[in-house]
Amino acid sequence: AQTVTQSQPEMSVQEAETVTLSCTYDTSENNYYLFWYKQPPSRQMILVIRQEAYKQQNATENRFSVNFQKAAKSFSLKISDSQLGDTAMYFCAFMNFIREDKIIFGKGTRLHILP
Amino acid sequence: EAQVTQNPRYLITVTGKKLTVTCSQNMNHEYMSWYRQDPGLGLRQIYYSMNVEVTDKGDVPEGYKVSRKEKRNFPLILESPSPNQTSLYFCASSLDRYTGELFFGEGSRLTVL
Repeated sequence: AQTVTQSQPEMSVQEAETVTLSCTYDTSENNYYLFWYKQPPSRQMILVIRQEAYKQQNATENRFSVNFQKAAKSFSLKISDSQLGDTAMYFCAFMNFIREDKIIFGKGTRLHILP
Repeated sequence: EAQVTQNPRYLITVTGKKLTVTCSQNMNHEYMSWYRQDPGLGLRQIYYSMNVEVTDKGDVPEGYKVSRKEKRNFPLILESPSPNQTSLYFCASSLDRYTGELFFGEGSRLTVL
């Protein structure tokens, strides 16, 4: 069974610093997507970034980028120039898009951006 | 505006009193799903639906029912709520099962006394 592990339950960084959130996953499949979702204090979850496993190039969305290491089954999220609005719970998620009908979420990392 | 709408946002009820949490999306999405979020456990899938009249169990379906009679609606039914169903519930939708990008509702916080 696929699993997603986020080893950092909580982190704090100063505004404008760079922070990296860790995620590892376990699967024997080759066809999958990986995601980072953000849940701000307002609760509504939004997609931050998505990575297709067959792409070697790391996905980037403005200040958010990933370090996708397929062999190591690692998928970390880097937030550059962090802002107060980045304060949120971040969930790493995995989806096998061939066989599965669900997205598996990690337990989340609560990130605090300090002024 | 594209959105997933859940109601109610907050509810306090008592053990055994049937309740329904509604979920509606206006994006013509095929795929819809319910999750519950509990501290330390992340999000766990309750039920999902790949299209009208097609539903299936997720990881924690016990005590819940769903139906998908129309493409836009996917209500979650708790026939006889119990305190262990106290949780934050999210409805989500996706264009189809292959894209993986979920659009979430704002969540419904349910307390069962």
